[in-house]
Amino acid sequence: DIQMTQSPSTLSAYVGDRVTITCRASQTISNWLAWYQQKPGKAPKLLIYRASSLESGVPSRFSGSGSGTEFTLTIASLQPDDFATYYCQQYDSSSWTFGPGTKVEVK
Amino acid sequence: EVQLVESGGGLVQAGGSLRLSCVVSGRTSTTHAMSWVRQAPGRGLEWVSSITGSGSRTYYADSVKGRFTISRDDSKNTLYVQMNSLRAEDTAIYYCTNLKDTAVVDRDGVFYYYYMDVWGKGTTVTVSS
Repeated sequence: DIQMTQSPSTLSAYVGDRVTITCRASQTISNWLAWYQQKPGKAPKLLIYRASSLESGVPSRFSGSGSGTEFTLTIASLQPDDFATYYCQQYDSSSWTFGPGTKVEVK
Repeated sequence: EVQLVESGGGLVQAGGSLRLSCVVSGRTSTTHAMSWVRQAPGRGLEWVSSITGSGSRTYYADSVKGRFTISRDDSKNTLYVQMNSLRAEDTAIYYCTNLKDTAVVDRDGVFYYYYMDVWGKGTTVTVSS
């Protein structure tokens, strides 16, 4: 099975900061990677698919990059609504795997 | 806009069974692949099971294989998961998700890759030991 790791596990930042989260796969997954945002008590929300494609309706301050085994999610200028937990997920195989999550909190 | 509404969660004793349902609304086509994802209290997301649009193929996480069965009734626009031999570690919020596909054609044929584009709000399952 493909394992996913994320770093950091927690990130403290100010509104307006540029934030980057890294996700790594245990084997190459091409660009079959998605990013999700989850707020407390809510269902996850799709942000990015195919590593860098922005889901409709998601603000353009979110961007994704990478291929193979290393990927990044970048928030260009952190907004108050962005404090949440972010998960990467591979969908290269018929066994979907999520990363452990990165919590973005107020510094 | 596609909406997914889960139901069927509750409190059950270890060794018991539950069937979760997910009603799909807001789309004309019923032949979409779908999945279940769960989240234990204070923990991350864990994929549980998926089913293709035709219902001909099903996939399970090792943690539930042999105990859970995913199915669909397109006449009712409903996805199900039958959960048997429940354990305390199955305690979680269970989310239903729509799977959006990307088709890739190469010399070996057509391959589909699915990501989770729409999520329900979840239903809570608590297994008491």
